[in-house]
Amino acid sequence: GDSVTQMEGPVTLSEEAFLTINCTYTATGYPSLFWYVQYPGEGLQLLLKATKADDKGSNKGFEATYRKETTSFHLEKGSVQVSDSAVYFCALSDGAGTALIFGKGTTLSVSS
Amino acid sequence: GAVVSQHPSWVICKSGTSVKIECRSLDFQATTMFWYRQFPKQSLMLMATSNEGSKATYEQGVEKDKFLINHASLTLSTLTVTSAHPEDSSFYICSAPGGKGAEAFFGQGTRLTVV
Repeated sequence: GDSVTQMEGPVTLSEEAFLTINCTYTATGYPSLFWYVQYPGEGLQLLLKATKADDKGSNKGFEATYRKETTSFHLEKGSVQVSDSAVYFCALSDGAGTALIFGKGTTLSVSS
Repeated sequence: GAVVSQHPSWVICKSGTSVKIECRSLDFQATTMFWYRQFPKQSLMLMATSNEGSKATYEQGVEKDKFLINHASLTLSTLTVTSAHPEDSSFYICSAPGGKGAEAFFGQGTRLTVV
């Protein structure tokens, strides 16, 4: 079945450092891909998405490009802030009305 | 955008009691609602799918009699944890699906602690 694999955490960075969180997927069709963020004690918030190959999702300085050839959707940010400390989930959707399939999540901790 | 409201945000209950978690779609009709469970420092695992007007569909390994799901209307789905035990303590999140390519809409989550 479909699955999402993302890098193990925790990731610990200093403020203004470059961030990459790797995410790869396995799917039989052409899924939509998402990054969600979960701040401590809260639910999930959509960070960005991409619906087809070569699409780039971006939001709040974060970017991820849908790479069909490598089945990847890596999350990047050029300069992280302390406020970016959270758990990041990569996820895919097979189609309309289907449940999302999540990766295990990567905890990011940014220190000043 | 679409809003899903989940209540309560946290609850503490005694072993053996039941707890009901509500999930409402505030500005749209949700014929389907997904219920996830999240263990500490782990990912979200789909527990079941509730469908308005029909029985819920449970994932393998999820006890139907323990986790009762009811989709009472197009705007309300509920999850009842019956005879709760400490191992049921977890973070429960509901989600309404978006269209293809659209994000899912998540509730705020419920932190359940069984003592």
